[in-house]
Order: sequence, then C-alpha cells, then structure tokens
Amino acid sequence: EERLVESGGKLVQPGGSLRLSCVASGFPFSSYALTWVRRAPGKGLEWVSAISGGGDRPYYADSVKGRFTVSRDKSSNSLFLQMNRLRVEDTAVYYCTKGDGVLPDNDYLETWGQGTMVVVSS
Amino acid sequence: SYELTQPPSVSVSPGQTASIVCSGDKLGDKYVTWYRQKSGQSPVLVIYKDDKRPSGIPDRISGSNSGNTATLTIAGTQSLDEGDYFCQAWDTDTAVFGGGTKLTVL
Repeated sequence: EERLVESGGKLVQPGGSLRLSCVASGFPFSSYALTWVRRAPGKGLEWVSAISGGGDRPYYADSVKGRFTVSRDKSSNSLFLQMNRLRVEDTAVYYCTKGDGVLPDNDYLETWGQGTMVVVSS
Repeated sequence: SYELTQPPSVSVSPGQTASIVCSGDKLGDKYVTWYRQKSGQSPVLVIYKDDKRPSGIPDRISGSNSGNTATLTIAGTQSLDEGDYFCQAWDTDTAVFGGGTKLTVL
C-alpha cells in the first residue's frame, strides 16, 4: 500500500522559516514525481511545488518561487519543502502527494498524505 | 497565468444527476483531473485524463472535456458524494486548480 506521511508543520512568525518533511513507502521512490499541495482555511486547493523522480527538476508556483525550495532524498525515501520568508498567506494544510510518472508535467495526484498544518502568525 | 473557473456551489436532490463545470481557455487541449475533498479529510482523485476513473470510483461518476469546458457528472447522487470538488490542469510547468465547487445533496 502506498503511503505518504507529512511532518514539520507548526506555528511560525512572519518572516520565519520552516522545513516540512514527507516519508514515502509502498512504491519505488525514485520512479515517481512528488508534489506539495496546500489548502488555506476557507480557500481552495493550491499547487505549491513538485520535483521529478530523479530529483533533478523542481517546479514552483509563482506565489512561492524564490522563497520555497523542494528536494528529495532517496536514502530516506523523503520529500522536503524548505519554506523561507514565510507570510501570513502561507498559512495552510500542506499535503504531500504522489503522481503517476517520473515527471509531474500533465500528471495526476493519485496518493495523498494526511497533511501537516502550518500557521504563520505573530 | 492560466485560470480555471468553477461555480462555488451546486445543489442536487438525492438520486438526481449533478454536473460540475470547469472553464478555462482552450481547456479541451489539456488533460483535466478532478479531486473530491470531504471535510476533515485529504483530497481523493476521482477522474484523471479527462474521463478515466481510478479503481474504487463508481462508474456513475464520469468526466468530459471539450472546447473551453470540462464537466464532472455524478449520476444517482448520494449523500456520500457531498464535498468540495476541484478541477486541475497543467499549463507551462505549473499545475492549476479551479477554485472548487461545494456539492450539497439536499
């Protein structure tokens, strides 16, 4: 069974930094792109960032480009999201998701984690 | 940037057919994916590549995509179909979600 487990969400002040993690299991880790999607309170889903199966190609939404960095580590089957210069509008539940191909382009997200909550507030 | 537009809400009586539309410029040239999210739960994939159903999704749920509009159709709607539905497509190395449609079964 495919499984994704996120961690790292917490309360952080505006301008601060946070690193989210996601441990994957149940599938060949390097064969699939992984994606971060978030949902802010009262808002819809927002695609945040993705990374190819090999880890050599990252993708970012305009809203986080230059502030967030996505990475993955095959030795620990883990996906990461380093979030810097956090803003109040980054407050959301962040989901780790798995696509169906090695690249996220035109991919669909078939497996989702339970999410981790990030609150940016003073 | 590319935008997908959905109605904020759709209401339907039990047993009737619900249709949720998603509009975008030349959307028919792209693959559309649909997700459902129930309160307090993670999203679930319900339709991919316009009209394909993942295992576990009943065949009374279907999708189509042509021109500027994609449609998710739920026949014989039940209370368990309630939730927020989001369409999604890719455009120039970026994935885009629609704003979401809340489906209520009255």
